[in-house]
Amino acid sequence: GIQVEQSPPDLILQEGANSTLRCNFSDSVNNLQWFHQNPWGQLINLFYIPSGTKQNGRLSATTVATERYSLLYISSSQTTDSGVYFCAASSNTGFQKLVFGTGTRLLVSP
Amino acid sequence: DAMVIQNPRYQVTQFGKPVTLSCSQTLNHNVMYWYQQKSSQAPKLLFHYYDKDFNNEADTPDNFQSRRPNTSFCFLDIRSPGLGDAAMYLCATSSSPGWKGGQPQHFGDGTRLSIL
Repeated sequence: GIQVEQSPPDLILQEGANSTLRCNFSDSVNNLQWFHQNPWGQLINLFYIPSGTKQNGRLSATTVATERYSLLYISSSQTTDSGVYFCAASSNTGFQKLVFGTGTRLLVSP
Repeated sequence: DAMVIQNPRYQVTQFGKPVTLSCSQTLNHNVMYWYQQKSSQAPKLLFHYYDKDFNNEADTPDNFQSRRPNTSFCFLDIRSPGLGDAAMYLCATSSSPGWKGGQPQHFGDGTRLSIL
């Protein structure tokens, strides 16, 4: 099945800093989603982005499907951005079952 | 707002005592999924329903079963919970993949299950 890898595993930022999170996947995808899991365990959908670029406020994401990677950009980070960021993808072959990466744990300090 | 609702938010059960977690949706999606997320790990798919068709993942323990009585509701039954089943259980929905390919999955807030 598809493999999804995320980097870095951990990231510590000062409030106001920018960051880039990376997601590599091993197969052609028909779904790629970025999630933020907050300290209460809620999985918040950030982007559905199997290809192209999207922006939502301070967050943006780019997926280069032909090169099998996606990037999540966080600008002007805030303490509320802390949590775990997951990338999840489903392969073009077979049914659309999301496989999650191991996540990037982000801590934004004031 | 259309959404995916999981009840209860927290569930405590005793070792070996059957427990049922519920999920409802107002999105009218025909696919519903159950994921298990253990502490400090990524969510892992247990099974999904495509309409009334049940699809089990190969490594999902027999202890875990599911029911989908109608489009809106889906239940996760754990027949004899062990200590290793303590986890967050996440329900998700999506519309069926069309000619465009995949569809985004929409997640509920999860049920955190503790085993005493």
